[in-house]
Amino acid sequence: QKEVEQDPGPLSVPEGAIVSLNCTYSNSAFQYFMWYRQYSRKGPELLMYTYSSGNKEDGRFTAQVDKSSKYISLFIRDSQPSDSATYLCAMSENAGNMLTFGGGTRLMVKP
Amino acid sequence: EAQVTQNPRYLITVTGKKLTVTCSQNMNHEYMSWYRQDPGLGLRQIYYSMNVEVTDKGDVPEGYKVSRKEKRNFPLILESPSPNQTSLYFCASSHRQGTGNTIYFGEGSWLTVV
Repeated sequence: QKEVEQDPGPLSVPEGAIVSLNCTYSNSAFQYFMWYRQYSRKGPELLMYTYSSGNKEDGRFTAQVDKSSKYISLFIRDSQPSDSATYLCAMSENAGNMLTFGGGTRLMVKP
Repeated sequence: EAQVTQNPRYLITVTGKKLTVTCSQNMNHEYMSWYRQDPGLGLRQIYYSMNVEVTDKGDVPEGYKVSRKEKRNFPLILESPSPNQTSLYFCASSHRQGTGNTIYFGEGSWLTVV
């Protein structure tokens, strides 16, 4: 069993839809949780970063962490075709740089 | 502009022919690392370096070498590439005390070993 599980998709939604992306994990020591967006043939770029449990909102993006369930989510409101990309969750045990990534979910937003 | 630059971006090579993928960053970061990305497996760390002359193995180091002689450069060396090293490789850098929110990734190097 992988340490971080993520549905690979692809997830196809119409423009304007609310998108929910999720990861589950097994290591209860993870405290820092990140979402990266990766466009085709590009490196990952950080979208959201949260520490411990709770919600964080940034524009159309909301990240949620439920440590009791070992489950994190990324919500995208009013999805746009430009949101079409692969979304990777990542997490770490401490405030360092040792990240464990999920396999990524490919999202397609159709006009 | 803050950058992590990798070269080459695309390479096809033959089994056993030594190759080096270069990585350079212009942000004076202490920490640098290499990842490989394979379908469904996300990014897996190959090697990392906390500072000059300090390197350590990540999750999948077999078949790779690295060196950190200068702060800005962190080359990845495949002494005898094999087809199972066909992958997309990313170099990343950050300040040593940084968390995930300060990690910068390069644009990736597509490597095919035939």
